[in-house]
Formats: sequence, C-alpha cells, structure tokens
Amino acid sequence: EIVMTQSPATLSVSPGERATLSCRASQSVRSNLAWYQQKPGQAPRLLIYGASSRATGVPARFSGSGSGTEFTLTINSLQSEDFAVYYCQQYNKWPPLTFGGGTKVQIK
Amino acid sequence: QVQLVQSGAEVKKPGASVKVSCKATEYTFNNFYIHWVRQAPGQGLEWVGVINPRGGSASYAQQFQGRVTMTSDTSTSMIYLEVSSLRSEDAAMYFCARSNLYDSSGHSDSWGQGTLVTVSS
Repeated sequence: EIVMTQSPATLSVSPGERATLSCRASQSVRSNLAWYQQKPGQAPRLLIYGASSRATGVPARFSGSGSGTEFTLTINSLQSEDFAVYYCQQYNKWPPLTFGGGTKVQIK
Repeated sequence: QVQLVQSGAEVKKPGASVKVSCKATEYTFNNFYIHWVRQAPGQGLEWVGVINPRGGSASYAQQFQGRVTMTSDTSTSMIYLEVSSLRSEDAAMYFCARSNLYDSSGHSDSWGQGTLVTVSS
C-alpha cells in the first residue's frame, strides 16, 4: 500500500497571501495524484487531477505540480472561501486508493 | 447534472449491520466505478472499497475484508454498501464517489452528500 504524507498539518495564512501545501508518496505514483478540498459538513471536492490539471470549474488560483513522490498544491491570493482542509490522493497503484492525512488551511 | 444521492442517517447498535445506498443520476451508470470513502468525526478520508457497476465485481480495503459488501442494481442505478458486525470505530460519515472506469483513473469528480452512521448501544 502506498502511504501518502501531507505537510504541514495546519497552515495559517492571511487572505490574499499564497499557500503552499505538500504531499509525499512512499513510492512513485508518477503523475497519478489528485487534490481535494473539503469544507465542514461537505463532501470533498476534486480540485486537481493528474498532478496538475484543474478540474472543471476550479479557479486558476489553484495549481498543482510535481511527479514521482513529491507534489505541491499552491493557492495564490487566498480567498475567504479557500479556508478548508485539503487532501491528496494517489491512484497510480490501486486498489487500495490512499489519501494523505490532510492539511487544514486556516485564517492567520 | 451528475448527482450521487445517498440515503439518510442511520443509528445502529454494536454488532448490527447497516446498509447505505447511493443513487446515480444524469450519467451513464456503467461507465464509472463507484467508491465508498468514510470519514470518522474529526478525522481524514479512508477508502473502503470500489465496485464496478457493470457486473458487480468489488474490491475492498484489507481492513474491511469480510465485513463489507458492495452491490449494484443497474436497473435502478443504485449502489449499496453493507457493513456488518458494527463496532464503535465504524461510526463515520460514509461517502460514495465515482471515477472513470475506462481509463481506470481513481480520482473522483463527483461525490454523494454523505450518510452519517452512528453506532451506539
């Protein structure tokens, strides 16, 4: 099973600033990596797939990069609606699908 | 508009079983896997398993083997998750989510609203 590790667990950012979230895989997942956003009481929402492709309707301030074992989600100019928990997920070798533990982006 | 609509909240006693449903609408049912993902209160996302609606073959995470059963009904576009021998640790929100069957990519572009399962004596 591929283990996904996210850092930091919590990120405090001021509105308008940039947030950089990291995700590491225990072995190469090539570019088969997705990012999800989850707000309290809601289902996760797909933001990025294929490590860097934005899902339909996702604003351009969200961008993903990386391949192999190291990945980054960058959120430029944070808006109030972006404060949420973000999860990475690998789908290179499944089953099982595996998720990272999440990064909570909170207001500084 | 693609939708996955799940059944309502359940309260069960330890040792009982629960069956949660997920109805798919506005897309070709047989073209997408359906995954189940659960989330314990305040915790992260945990993959439970996946079913291919076409044919009904399923694969489960190792920790759920023998206690979880996923089934599909193509005539009604419904997917079911049954969890047996419930214990307190199974208390969670259970989500269904779809992923493309033909390219075998496992990312999910559409999710159900979640079904809260409470396990309490």
